[in-house]
Amino acid sequence: QITLRESGPSLVKPTQTLTLTCTFSGFSLTTTGAGVAWVRQPPGKALEWLAFIHWDDDKGFSPSLESRLTITKDTAKNQVVLTMTNMDPVDTATYYCVHAWSFYYESSGYHSWFDPWGPGTLVTVSS
Amino acid sequence: EIVLTQSPGTLSLSPGQSATLSCRASQRVSSSFLAWYQQKAGQAPRLLISGASSRATGIPDRFSGSGSGTDFTLTISRLEPEDFAVYYCQQYAKSITFGGGTKVE
Repeated sequence: QITLRESGPSLVKPTQTLTLTCTFSGFSLTTTGAGVAWVRQPPGKALEWLAFIHWDDDKGFSPSLESRLTITKDTAKNQVVLTMTNMDPVDTATYYCVHAWSFYYESSGYHSWFDPWGPGTLVTVSS
Repeated sequence: EIVLTQSPGTLSLSPGQSATLSCRASQRVSSSFLAWYQQKAGQAPRLLISGASSRATGIPDRFSGSGSGTDFTLTISRLEPEDFAVYYCQQYAKSITFGGGTKVE
């Protein structure tokens, strides 16, 4: 059974850097094809994909946020860490860590959908 | 970026009725790389459908997905009380984007 759980601060100040950790079980990021992604959801709004990382260290980022995001994996700890710089109140959202199932093509890379999802962690950006 | 437009924004129905949810893409979604998720209030989303029409494990057969190219549909036949929720589509053909959601109330 695959499970994921997010951890990190619930409150950050504007301009600070957010660091979120996803701790997972039931799969390994050393397994061919395995991947983990981050998705966020502002209160009352739609879902927004942020980033993914795969077993081979292939990474992808939302084009609109790429300059602010970093994603890394620690296979020994079964963890994925997302950092987002220069936080703003509009970044207030529930942040979800998700397991990514993927098809891979040489010509176009990974094509991923998400299952299951972690419970999410609400991050509020406020001074 | 592929923009996904979901309609209607809200669908008001009764248990036992059928629901038809639309997801229209601004560009062709190749290989039917489209998924549907259900989100109940206060919960994380749950995968219903991937590959436009393949039900995820444990999803009842009253949920069905169809479509290709730029037009996709999620149909829920015989709505059960637990089906009243918000539904999102997601494309994973070019990068990853989600639609704005349809609330079934």
